[in-house]
Amino acid sequence: DAGITQSPRYKITETGRQVTLMCHQTWSHSYMFWYRQDLGHGLRLIYYSAAADITDKGEVPDGYVVSRSKTENFPLTLESATRSQTSVYFCASSRELAVSYNEQFFGPGTRLTVL
Amino acid sequence: DAKTTQPNSMESNEEEPVHLPCNHSTISGTDYIHWYRQLPSQGPEYVIHGLTSNVNNRMASLAIAEDRKSSTLILHRATLRDAAVYYCIQRTGGGNKLTFGTGTQLKVEL
Repeated sequence: DAGITQSPRYKITETGRQVTLMCHQTWSHSYMFWYRQDLGHGLRLIYYSAAADITDKGEVPDGYVVSRSKTENFPLTLESATRSQTSVYFCASSRELAVSYNEQFFGPGTRLTVL
Repeated sequence: DAKTTQPNSMESNEEEPVHLPCNHSTISGTDYIHWYRQLPSQGPEYVIHGLTSNVNNRMASLAIAEDRKSSTLILHRATLRDAAVYYCIQRTGGGNKLTFGTGTQLKVEL
């Protein structure tokens, strides 16, 4: 049972380059999320998706683009990376809203450095 | 999700119980309390959740105050592997997003 995976685990890029972080889950969960975590902050929500082709902004969406053509995948793209986007990125998934509690399952994270 | 208040850090000795407090003074009747923890270099993982009454699972216990304005996560016998950041989250009923604060860094010593 692979669960939720992220790739790459580590990435170094340069300012201005486009970078795509991948997230894949094998549970067929409806909801998927992208968070970033910086020193001194908890996790902050970037974007989330309630189902394929449905996405919405979170707390810090600027500079990021998401898509969700298939239920199991939720890629996050930095169209023109900036140094302020250096961070650890976590993907998560959860079952549908109807469940009384919505436990989120997190991936292992991608450490991104923008030079 | 509304913001909760937790101590920045706590220390414990191995094999002893740990009580991690959380204040959520703005909680409403349908808000759940969720706890997650984040081990070093890993993503957060779910620990426990509750609404009104105390809850137990294989990982921990959650004690919720009668007025629901505070709660305590109880690790019955801390181990070195329990050293992590513990996040208390007040979940708005029906909401599927999590709002993380900075949590409590738990240090466990031999």
